[in-house]
Amino acid sequence: NAGVTQTPKFRILKIGQSMTLQCAQDMNHNYMYWYRQDPGMGLKLIYYSVGAGITDKGEVPNGYNVSRSTTEDFPLRLELAAPSQTSVYFCASSYAPQDTQYFGPGTRLTVL
Amino acid sequence: KQEVTQIPAALSVPEGENLVLNCSFTDSAIYNLQWFRQDPGKGLTSLLLIQSSQREQTSGRLNASLDKSSGRSTLYIAASQPGDSATYLCAVIGNYGQNFVFGPGTRLSVLP
Repeated sequence: NAGVTQTPKFRILKIGQSMTLQCAQDMNHNYMYWYRQDPGMGLKLIYYSVGAGITDKGEVPNGYNVSRSTTEDFPLRLELAAPSQTSVYFCASSYAPQDTQYFGPGTRLTVL
Repeated sequence: KQEVTQIPAALSVPEGENLVLNCSFTDSAIYNLQWFRQDPGKGLTSLLLIQSSQREQTSGRLNASLDKSSGRSTLYIAASQPGDSATYLCAVIGNYGQNFVFGPGTRLSVLP
């Protein structure tokens, strides 16, 4: 099992550009999550999904969009990148919301 | 709104020492609590999950305790080793919550 995979590992964007962060899991988990982690802060939930076709906002959804067309994939879209979106982004999945979450290795994004 | 804090923010100890990391949460109506480890540049790895009905969980040299009524959990690491150097985060999920709330983490350095 590959677990949770994320691409790319690093990315630099210019202000106003757009990009998609990819996330995939091979554990057949229904629940998937996107977090951002800023220095000295805990993880903040951006969006989550409880299954294919069902997504919902987390604590900090502004400036992001998600889709979930399959159980395996949960891409995160950044539209009109801003310096405030400079962060490390983590994708995670779990069998149920209260269960152990499995994390991907993260994507380090810089917006200049 | 649930808030999670961790003290200290950073800790440096000599190899072989026993140590305690602290986690506090404001709303005691939690379903469970997890402790995670994060190595530099990597994702989070779950170490221990404690259900609200449990008082503690053990895994090897790690022991996590939970006092729900006082809103506290501790992670005890016995006979620390340089390989234990990492950031340790705790996270809680409420009884009716869909999502975990993370603390900012404690950065641990174990010196040889």
